[in-house]
Amino acid sequence: AQTVTQSQPEMSVQEAETVTLSCTYDTSENNYYLFWYKQPPSRQMILVIRQEAYKQQNATENRFSVNFQKAAKSFSLKISDSQLGDTAMYFCAFRRVDDKIIFGKGTRLHILP
Amino acid sequence: DTAVSQTPKYLVTQMGNDKSIKCEQNLGHDTMYWYKQDSKKFLKIMFSYNNKELIINETVPNRFSPKSPDKAHLNLHINSLELGDSAVYFCASSPAGGRQPYEQYFGPGTRLTVT
Repeated sequence: AQTVTQSQPEMSVQEAETVTLSCTYDTSENNYYLFWYKQPPSRQMILVIRQEAYKQQNATENRFSVNFQKAAKSFSLKISDSQLGDTAMYFCAFRRVDDKIIFGKGTRLHILP
Repeated sequence: DTAVSQTPKYLVTQMGNDKSIKCEQNLGHDTMYWYKQDSKKFLKIMFSYNNKELIINETVPNRFSPKSPDKAHLNLHINSLELGDSAVYFCASSPAGGRQPYEQYFGPGTRLTVT
């Protein structure tokens, strides 16, 4: 069975610093998709970034980038120049070929002023 | 325009009651989902429908019954509500069959409180 593990339940960093959230997953599939979602206090689930497993190039969206290591089944999220508005729960997610998405338990990120 | 909408956003009810949560998406997606997020923020899939057909049915009590009148709507009906049903329920949609975009679009969530 596929699993998604986020080993950091909670993290705090100072504004403007860079922070990396870790995620590992377990699967026997070769083609799949990975995502990072953000859930601010408003509770809305917001897509931060996505990665197709068949692409070797790491995805980047402005201040957000990933380090995708397919062989190691690792998918970490780096937030550069962190801002107060980045404070949220961050969920790593894995989408199987049958369209089912499995979420990690989340990392609560606090950006401190 | 709201992409995925849910009603109501808040629902407070007593044990034993029956309630429904409605979900609609205007993205033209084929697949819709229901997720439950518990008090520890763990997000778990409950059901998915593809073009009105049930695809995923996780281990969910029979008291929960999804209904999809058309591919733009997926409602969740809950019978005989229990205290443990208190959670935030999210509806989501996505294209099916590996078509882009691959991510799911989420509704705003419905916070259900059973007293």
